[in-house]
Amino acid sequence: AQSVTQLGSHVSVSEGALVLLRCNYSSSVPPYLFWYVQYPNQGLQLLLKYTTGATLVKGINGFEAEFKKSETSFHLTKPSAHMSDAAEYFCAVSDDGNNRLAFGKGNQVVVIP
Amino acid sequence: DTGVSQNPRHKITKRGQNVTFRCDPISEHNRLYWYRQTLGQGPEFLTYFQNEAQLEKSRLLSDRFSAERPKGSFSTLEIQRTEQGDSAMYLCASSPNTGNTEAFFGQGTRLTVV
Repeated sequence: AQSVTQLGSHVSVSEGALVLLRCNYSSSVPPYLFWYVQYPNQGLQLLLKYTTGATLVKGINGFEAEFKKSETSFHLTKPSAHMSDAAEYFCAVSDDGNNRLAFGKGNQVVVIP
Repeated sequence: DTGVSQNPRHKITKRGQNVTFRCDPISEHNRLYWYRQTLGQGPEFLTYFQNEAQLEKSRLLSDRFSAERPKGSFSTLEIQRTEQGDSAMYLCASSPNTGNTEAFFGQGTRLTVV
């Protein structure tokens, strides 16, 4: 069965600094990988996804993630944090692309002015 | 609003009561998913439908949980004889029929069992 590990429930980052959220997955087949963002009182919103092809995936709001099979990782980055990036971020994996997702515990990102 | 709609947004119930939540997916989305999210955890997959057919229900948490999608449009999730451990956010999502497509999530129904 697939699973995701996200370490560090709360992540603080200074405005303008690099955002790095780590995600490691476990899957018995080539995975489909996702990052979702959840703003307060809103539904989960897809940031980006990896299915096949290019391992560096660009998403909305300046985020990107790189699939590294050898490291079983799909870390999320953004070069320069903005106050509006304060939210909870979830990494998720699917083994068949059918949106039956296994989510990590999430990272609550706080942006410090 | 053409997004996924969930009702009610909040539900407080006494232990032992039955509750039912409704999800209206984006129109023309064939697939509908239910997830549960407890405090400090990511969403946990429960079940999903392809039109009116429930394709997987093994992840439903107990036989007190059931879901229906009778006409292939809206869906209901029922919890019978609620327990305090059922307190959580229940999320619904929908997607088009084909694979590799984005699932759109509703805002969820927050259940509190007292």
